[in-house]
Parts: sequence; structure tokens; C-alpha cells
Amino acid sequence: DQQVKQNSPSLSVQEGRISILNCDYTNSMFDYFLWYKKYPAEGPTFLISISSIKDKNEDGRFTVFLNKSAKHLSLHIVPSQPGDSAVYFCAASAWNDYKLSFGAGTTVTVRA
Amino acid sequence: ETGVTQSPTHLIKTRGQQVTLRCSSQSGHNTVSWYQQALGQGPQFIFQYYREEENGRGNFPPRFSGLQFPNYSSELNVNALELDDSALYLCASSLDRASSYEQYFGPGTRLTVT
Repeated sequence: DQQVKQNSPSLSVQEGRISILNCDYTNSMFDYFLWYKKYPAEGPTFLISISSIKDKNEDGRFTVFLNKSAKHLSLHIVPSQPGDSAVYFCAASAWNDYKLSFGAGTTVTVRA
Repeated sequence: ETGVTQSPTHLIKTRGQQVTLRCSSQSGHNTVSWYQQALGQGPQFIFQYYREEENGRGNFPPRFSGLQFPNYSSELNVNALELDDSALYLCASSLDRASSYEQYFGPGTRLTVT
């Protein structure tokens, strides 16, 4: 039962343009959401997170938006850089839960 | 500060065999979680250990078992290996159980079952 879904397996964007990654979830108990970035042969590294009490969180070039009513979140990367080419995972957690539920990932390729 | 380390990096086993994967948590972290990432999928939660006790388990059969040691390092054991167990196994540590959502991942162990 996939509670976190990333429906776009891949995204190609030109350097300098905006990358928008989308994520949907089904569990209404989720109240904390994270994005992880993964390079080949490395573990996922934390990128940015958002609590359900917010609808936006920004950190440099990365902004995450949360729409609780639609059970949807998105990650915006602007401007996109070649080093952003990686697999991005959306993850979610419920309050006082012990695990993260991940989406299947979106592979981002930034073209020069 | 030392990050999360895992060993071995790669492993090839035969169906029916047993395997042990190892993880050293980040310095100061007392909670370790294990995930299985099959090809083309996101990591799936196997279980979590907090202060040497299992603190939650995902939808994995009992032949997946684990241990956490007093120094908070951890092992994942898989018995009676099946072909579908071929995956990347990720270990993640967090400062404590209360902050389990802030998890720091190791590079993983790639297990191939033939």
C-alpha cells in the first residue's frame, strides 16, 4: 500500500530554469514531510522539510509547498544547477511515528 | 563527526542462505532504522531499534531480524534468502526515538541473491 506517491519518474530541465517535483499522499495522519536527494552509490541526504502547520518552507534555492486539503506537496528548485541532477525522494511521517514512508523517487537531469 | 557507515558495500548470496549486514550509527545517535530499496522503488521501512530494543516494524516477514548493540551499532539479519530480497539495504540513524523523522542515511549495502 503506497501511501506516498511520486507519479513522475523523471524530469529533465535546462540549467537556470525551475524544477518542480510533485508528491501526493493518502494518509491523513502524516504531519511532517521531507525531501531527500540521492546520488548514485550514496545514501539519501536530507534536503528540506515542512511541518503540516505550515504551507511553505524555503531554504536557499529550494522551496517546499504543502497543500493539506489536496494531500499534495511540491519541491521547487530555482535556479536548477547541474549538481542538482540526482534522484529526489518525497517522504512523510506521522506524529510520534517511528518510520518514514517514501515515494518511488523522481530522477532529475539538469541539462547544460 | 562520523556519519553513518555500512558494511559490506556489495554482497552476493545464493537463495536459501543467510546474510548479516552491519551499520554504525552517527556519533551521538541512539536510534537506528533499516530500509529496503528495491530497484525503481523508494526505501521501504523494515524496523527500528532504540536503545537495543525493537521499536517498530514494517511489513516484513520474521526471517528479517535485527540487533542493536550497546554502542548503538546495528545488524540486519536475513534468513532463507529469496530472489526478491535482492535490493539496496539502507541504515539510518537519528538522535533519539522522538526525532525519528530526522534520519541520516548510510550509503547502503547492495545485496544480490542468485
